[in-house]
Amino acid sequence: EPEVTQTPSHQVTQMGQEVILRCVPISNHLYFYWYRQILGQKVEFLVSFYNNEISEKSEIFDDQFSVERPDGSNFTLKIRSTKLEDSAMYFCASSEGAGRYQPQHFGDGTRLSIL
Amino acid sequence: AQKITQTQPGMFVQEKEAVTLDCTYDTSDPSYGLFWYKQPSSGEMIFLIYQGSYDQQNATEGRYSLNFQKARKSANLVISASQLGDSAMYFCAMREDTDKLIFGTGTRLQVFP
Repeated sequence: EPEVTQTPSHQVTQMGQEVILRCVPISNHLYFYWYRQILGQKVEFLVSFYNNEISEKSEIFDDQFSVERPDGSNFTLKIRSTKLEDSAMYFCASSEGAGRYQPQHFGDGTRLSIL
Repeated sequence: AQKITQTQPGMFVQEKEAVTLDCTYDTSDPSYGLFWYKQPSSGEMIFLIYQGSYDQQNATEGRYSLNFQKARKSANLVISASQLGDSAMYFCAMREDTDKLIFGTGTRLQVFP
């Protein structure tokens, strides 16, 4: 069964450094998302992306964050000048369509640890 | 007010028994989707089942079924014939007229032999 692939599975970075989290969505999916889950807390929406532009973002997704689809298969989340509170599990997701009944399929996540 | 409420932080069930995980939601949008995800201890988020607000029948997917009671705004997940591999966190989520899924706080299910 097709799946969303995320790399790396675990990233350890010094505070203040930049980090790029990578995702390969399911190949026929057109809508892409990033979520994060701080340890022990709820899963929170960060951003959605369609047709090479951001379609929606949360208040968490400030100027520190950016997303990009650099080629036909990858979807990346860049976090600039990382802070301790950016430590979390980051999930990429994709869906075939945009409708509210469309399931979003998640990758295995990248656990980001900021030291 | 919480959009998604999961009142059971933890549940125990014996292998082969059925278990119901509760989820209530709050929305004024007449059109919405409800979703359940499983998160094993390894951390991945696995989509299980969904229900559309206009669906007349309860969704089923293998051993998973969704007990959708629209008037009560509840969308409980029923797992039949529990297996040891069902031990995980289970999240209920809703999508209204935006791109984002709104998640509940989750229920940790433990299946014992």
